[in-house]
Amino acid sequence: SQQGEEDPQALSIQEGENATMNCSYKTSINNLQWYRQNSGRGLVHLILIRSNEREKHSGRLRVTLDTSKKSSSLLITASRAADTASYFCATDLNTDKLIFGTGTRLQVFP
Amino acid sequence: DSGVTQTPKHLITATGQRVTLRCSPRSGDLSVYWYQQSLDQGLQFLIQYYNGEERAKGNILERFSAQQFPDLHSELNLSSLELGDSALYFCASRGGSTDTQYFGPGTRLTVL
Repeated sequence: SQQGEEDPQALSIQEGENATMNCSYKTSINNLQWYRQNSGRGLVHLILIRSNEREKHSGRLRVTLDTSKKSSSLLITASRAADTASYFCATDLNTDKLIFGTGTRLQVFP
Repeated sequence: DSGVTQTPKHLITATGQRVTLRCSPRSGDLSVYWYQQSLDQGLQFLIQYYNGEERAKGNILERFSAQQFPDLHSELNLSSLELGDSALYFCASRGGSTDTQYFGPGTRLTVL
């Protein structure tokens, strides 16, 4: 079963715009990770945020975590065509396995 | 490049057959995880090994089995294949100093 639900399921924007995708989960977590997947290829790790952290940055990425609402958001600023991919959140429930969300398909038009 | 390798990249086989997928973790990583990605089930955890021992099991069918060898590479064996087993199979590895799982490029299995 899916732990995370992502919203929106699909997002289309122009280059230079910001993209925000959200992830909600059901149970307490140890950490939450975001991954990117280019069409049918491998998963690339983007960022990990621990349950005691509220915000984290990595380059053009900003991740927030609200454990009271059991939600996280991923913001990609100044998007590029190369950011076109599916983005997944994955929760670690301190059981060492990751439970993935349903994913957001991001399309960035040049 | 995550440092995790998987072979083969693609596999096409028939129903009822048996296949073996191979994974080499990042150098020094003791934990290996297997995940399945299908259109209807999404990304699902199958099984984890740590230094040769099974550590956790997820939604893995009885027809599927895995092992991790002394050199830490892992194999996922899928038998009595059905059409519904067609999916992308990912291996991931993790080292002791991080919670991050690094994924390989995956093996795309097509069962005809």
